[in-house]
Amino acid sequence: EAGVTQSPTHLIKTRGQQATLRCSPISGHTSVYWYQQALGLGLQFLLWYDEGEERNRGNFPPRFSGRQFPNYSSELNVNALELEDSALYLCASSGGTATNEKLFFGSGTQLSVL
Amino acid sequence: AQSVTQLDSHVSVSEGTPVLLRCNYSSSYSPSLFWYVQHPNKGLQLLLKYTSAATLVKGINGFEAEFKKSETSFHLTKPSAHMSDAAEYFCVVRGDSSYKLIFGSGTRLLVRP
Repeated sequence: EAGVTQSPTHLIKTRGQQATLRCSPISGHTSVYWYQQALGLGLQFLLWYDEGEERNRGNFPPRFSGRQFPNYSSELNVNALELEDSALYLCASSGGTATNEKLFFGSGTQLSVL
Repeated sequence: AQSVTQLDSHVSVSEGTPVLLRCNYSSSYSPSLFWYVQHPNKGLQLLLKYTSAATLVKGINGFEAEFKKSETSFHLTKPSAHMSDAAEYFCVVRGDSSYKLIFGSGTRLLVRP
């Protein structure tokens, strides 16, 4: 069974550009979570999608946004990139709100903003 | 509000010796606690979780953790380190809302041959 897949593995952008990160959850999972792992800051919760809707978001500015598609895959968009957006972005999926304690993580997208 | 504190940013042990990764938590109610491991170039993997059943929780790869309410601790241990255990370990508490996991800052485990 395929795990959570993220693409691309690496992404290099310049300040002010937009970045799009993609995530495919494990088959059958309806919830997708996005986390940012910035150097020295640990993992910070970004967004949670379930059944195609944004259920909640962390303390990030509105230029961080995303969506979940009918097949439960998800995109994270970061507009007007800033240098401090450089981080590893991890996607995780779970079977739904009742079983959200066990998250399965992808390998991440390393975003570098120059 | 819930929080976790991982007391060591780096732990170095020799192969075959015991591993102790320390974690203290803060929670206004009985928490759900987890340990995740992150190997280089791989996604996070759940090692074990505590959800108010047995206080001693056994996980994968020989790891276990003991929930001690009196000490508000959830330390991760393993009797004998293996080279493949070298990774970053995160102590995690579930937040007030069911969706939110709060991660500690991580402990990097180095295993010397």
